[in-house]
Amino acid sequence: NAGVTQTPKFQVLKTGQSMTLQCAQDMNHEYMSWYRQDPGMGLRLIHYSVGAGITDQGEVPNGYNVSRSTTEDFPLRLLSAAPSQTSVYFCASSSPDGGPTNEQFFGPGTRLTVL
Amino acid sequence: QKEVEQDPGPLSVPEGAIVSLNCTYSNSAFQYFMWYRQYSRKGPELLMYTYSSGNKEDGRFTAQVDKSSKYISLFIRDSQPSDSATYLCAMNSNDYKLSFGAGTTVTVRA
Repeated sequence: NAGVTQTPKFQVLKTGQSMTLQCAQDMNHEYMSWYRQDPGMGLRLIHYSVGAGITDQGEVPNGYNVSRSTTEDFPLRLLSAAPSQTSVYFCASSSPDGGPTNEQFFGPGTRLTVL
Repeated sequence: QKEVEQDPGPLSVPEGAIVSLNCTYSNSAFQYFMWYRQYSRKGPELLMYTYSSGNKEDGRFTAQVDKSSKYISLFIRDSQPSDSATYLCAMNSNDYKLSFGAGTTVTVRA
């Protein structure tokens, strides 16, 4: 099993550009999430999905869109990049069978810089 | 005020020392408490979890929860250079979303 994979590993954008961060998992997990990690701020939830066709907003959703057409994939779209979106982005998946702690399995991250 | 507060450190200790990490929280609905470990340039991985007040041991690691004080701790005994990482506390209230602390960066010097 590859687990959770993310592409690209690194990306540099100019202000106003759009792009899609890809995330895929091969563990047949129903739940998938996107987090951003900034120094001193920890992991903050951007959007999450509890199954194909179902998405919801997390703590910091502004400027990002998601969709979930399959169980395996959960892309994150930046609509018009801003310097404040410079961050490390992590995708995670989990299973409702994993117990109440909802153990998250994280991908390796995408380091995004917006100039 | 954040729901979960964690001192980001950094913390530097000699090999063999005891490492003490802690988090405080404000949401009394939190029932499940976790510690994730994140090596440099990697995603976090679950290290330990507990759901009741008291101690839980796993090898050199001990997780402690005091719900009355809204305070959780992680102790690492006989620390090794391989323990050098960022440790994030996380907690939830039996729903999907986890609330994470800022993470504490630990370096164990050989």
